[in-house]
Amino acid sequence: KNQVEQSPQSLIILEGKNCTLQCNYTVSPFSNLRWYKQDTGRGPVSLTIMTFSENTKSNGRYTATLDADTKQSSLHITASQLSDSASYICVVSGDSGGSTLGRLYFGRGTQLTVWP
Amino acid sequence: DGGITQSPKYLFRKEGQNVTLSCEQNLNHDAMYWYRQDPGQGLRLIYYSQIVNDFQKGDIAEGYSVSREKKESFPLTVTSAQKNPTAFYLCASSMRQGGWEQYFGPGTRLTVT
Repeated sequence: KNQVEQSPQSLIILEGKNCTLQCNYTVSPFSNLRWYKQDTGRGPVSLTIMTFSENTKSNGRYTATLDADTKQSSLHITASQLSDSASYICVVSGDSGGSTLGRLYFGRGTQLTVWP
Repeated sequence: DGGITQSPKYLFRKEGQNVTLSCEQNLNHDAMYWYRQDPGQGLRLIYYSQIVNDFQKGDIAEGYSVSREKKESFPLTVTSAQKNPTAFYLCASSMRQGGWEQYFGPGTRLTVT
């Protein structure tokens, strides 16, 4: 069964600290993995997208890693800010051969709270 | 200013009434999607459309209907047959270039009492 599991479910950190969010998936075949940030009551916004051949990708203070062999990804946030408080969603795309859109599998998200 | 718009942001309806949620995009994307988000749950696909005048059921299509008469628009109707319609509804769009990466609208929160 194709699944995406995220941990922890929720996380509280102090402003300025670093944190790492985890994503394990069983989706096969695999096309790409995306991390989205979703503020409360808003639509998700893409942070990074990685294909099978990419091990790491950065977007400012956000760095995502991918190990396609173990089917694990992580999102590392450096020097957290209050505005980082949000839900972070891992999304895995199943490979459709490229001719049509791939099926997306969503994790339940990690709720991050940054305290001053 | 390009993007995806959803309206209204908040919607209240009485049980037994149909309600239509609007989704418009000016990104010239071919594909559009509707998702439902419930607290503590991942997004679940309701319907999607890859081209005009064609759409496919997602995982939870029962009680919903859509139309795709224009490339820019993909309205979702929540019918009285939907047993638990109260939720946060998200519309998204994507295109082949860029690996079908989905761009989401701001969402509509529907409350049915």
